[in-house]
Amino acid sequence: ETGVTQTPRHLVMGMTNKKSLKCEQHLGHNAMYWYKQSAKKPLELMFVYSLEERVENNSVPSRFSPECPNSSHLFLHLHTLQPEDSALYLCASSQGRPGGNTGELFFGEGSRLTVL
Amino acid sequence: AQSVTQPDIHITVSEGASLELRCNYSYGATPYLFWYVQSPGQGLQLLLKYFSGDTLVQGIKGFEAEFKRSQSSFNLRKPSVHWSDAAEYFCAVVRGSARQLTFGSGTQLTVLP
Repeated sequence: ETGVTQTPRHLVMGMTNKKSLKCEQHLGHNAMYWYKQSAKKPLELMFVYSLEERVENNSVPSRFSPECPNSSHLFLHLHTLQPEDSALYLCASSQGRPGGNTGELFFGEGSRLTVL
Repeated sequence: AQSVTQPDIHITVSEGASLELRCNYSYGATPYLFWYVQSPGQGLQLLLKYFSGDTLVQGIKGFEAEFKRSQSSFNLRKPSVHWSDAAEYFCAVVRGSARQLTFGSGTQLTVLP
């Protein structure tokens, strides 16, 4: 069982659909992250949860709504997305914040989202 | 302003040749620096990190990186590249009081047989 698992791996949705991405970490970490990876652009940090509390929200449009019900699970709820939201969405976890005790993020394999 | 710059979008080397991937950062204090690798269809994996101390850092898979404060650089090196090293490589820095991890735009490595 891998450390950070993301489902689904691929998702195609229309602009009026509502869908969710799921992330689960089996590493006992206390912080979880959503990143957006678009072609030709640096990874963009979207949200950070530490001890189930959202600690960062980097000006992400409200059509993206995160949820962290416990320290092992993280969701990204998607609603009325735009074609430019098509990207690879990466979930990560860490023990403490980056630059803390380990400084390492453990990434899932990502969910490839296509918005038609 | 971008905090991390990877000047090379794409690099091609022959198997067995040496490799150097460049990374420059713009940050007043000494940042925490990282190199990650992303193989096709995979997430990112940490290769190595620098927090303080010895400026030459050893990582996994035979990679090393050297922190040079005077040049604001943290270049990744490997003396002999293997075909399995073909992937995209990301330099990252932790900056600011919010301790946000910021990634460079990545360097795609192609390895020729």
